[in-house]
Amino acid sequence: EADIYQTPRYLVIGTGKKITLECSQTMGHDKMYWYQQDPGMELHLIHYSYGVNSTEKGDLSSESTVSRIRTEHFPLTLESARPSHTSQYLCASTERMGTEAFFGQGTRLTVV
Amino acid sequence: SQKIEQNSEALNIQEGKTATLTCNYTNYSPAYLQWYRQDPGRGPVFLLLIRENEKEKRKERLKVTFDTTLKQSLFHITASQPADSATYLCSGAGSYQLTFGKGTKLSVIP
Repeated sequence: EADIYQTPRYLVIGTGKKITLECSQTMGHDKMYWYQQDPGMELHLIHYSYGVNSTEKGDLSSESTVSRIRTEHFPLTLESARPSHTSQYLCASTERMGTEAFFGQGTRLTVV
Repeated sequence: SQKIEQNSEALNIQEGKTATLTCNYTNYSPAYLQWYRQDPGRGPVFLLLIRENEKEKRKERLKVTFDTTLKQSLFHITASQPADSATYLCSGAGSYQLTFGKGTKLSVIP
């Protein structure tokens, strides 16, 4: 069982609201990632971090932001949610490149 | 840009047969490839990793190959069971991230 947790699992929210998706891991991994996945589609990297105070944007343009103040915590924030943000968001961590990635259960976000 | 392609979106096979899934990579040479299983509404779960200097790796009923000449990995499930029905994702390591294919949805018919 992977020790990486995402909350909430499901979220329905109105347009314009600010939301934060939580991701925590207890494995002490330095590398953490956020992926966005639409149904039946591939995972797209939107943010990653190599350690505390390190954050980078991924290949897919995203209006979200992330922070990495503690090793175990990598929250993703949307300042103003829009219907186009409706998707599944997956958090992952790895010990180092070349090792398996552990994924959280995901947050399914619906913006109405 | 680096790309992972899984050409078969869906694969249906009879229970007991061997399922073979294909993964091709373009525009880069990953040092290793990984295969994950994803069930509906859940995050991917790691299955196997194979490095570029390894030709083949096995784990129970699973086997994966890595052909750097063809730029391809094959993923085999022998003696398939209905419980093996899921989407299988191939992933290659780039310079800073794991690049994933779209996945192949495998259905094992009893």
